[in-house]
Amino acid sequence: EDQVTQSPEALRLQEGESSSLNCSYTVSGLRGLFWYRQDPGKGPEFLFTLYSAGEEKEKERLKATLTKKESFLHITAPKPEDSATYLCAVHLFSSGSARQLTFGSGTQLTVLP
Amino acid sequence: GAGVSQSPSNKVTEKGKDVELRCDPISGHTALYWYRQSLGQGLEFLIYFQGNSAPDKSGLPSDRFSAERTGGSVSTLTIQRTQQEDSAVYLCASSFRVPGRVTNTGELFFGEGSRLTVL
Repeated sequence: EDQVTQSPEALRLQEGESSSLNCSYTVSGLRGLFWYRQDPGKGPEFLFTLYSAGEEKEKERLKATLTKKESFLHITAPKPEDSATYLCAVHLFSSGSARQLTFGSGTQLTVLP
Repeated sequence: GAGVSQSPSNKVTEKGKDVELRCDPISGHTALYWYRQSLGQGLEFLIYFQGNSAPDKSGLPSDRFSAERTGGSVSTLTIQRTQQEDSAVYLCASSFRVPGRVTNTGELFFGEGSRLTVL
């Protein structure tokens, strides 16, 4: 069964303290891996798409990387406004299902001032 | 509006009642998805529409759940005879087909959700 696992479930950082979030997957036929940010009471907001191992994407203090089995979301010198739940999702080559995104359960990040 | 719009934003109902949740996707987006998010959980896929047809209904948890989409635009998710375990945030998302490709992009644009509480 295809699975997406995120760790840690929750992470508390001091402002400026860099860290990484992990998304590991056991799927076949990966079409792409996506990172989303979700603020309380809001829907997820798209951050990055990664398609192949070795690919990296950056946006402000965030950098996403992808290997054959996992992805990391690196947060450099985070600020309190980076506090949110970060979700990863995998997009599969269809096996007949149009269930195109399978989400992990997320990492709740809190950045303390 | 420019984004995905969902209504109602909050719904409190009694066990056994029927509820309807509405989603108005981004104009021009051919694909529409319904997901459910329970407290502290990830997103659970419910159903996917391409145009007005639903090629994948496999995520609907029971026959009390149904959804339709009309005019390739607005979608309604209906839950009949609601149960307490139906309490969750129901999220709608839309996406577009990349020109020249047969599949939809995996980049989804989400609404803010409808929070359903069943007492």
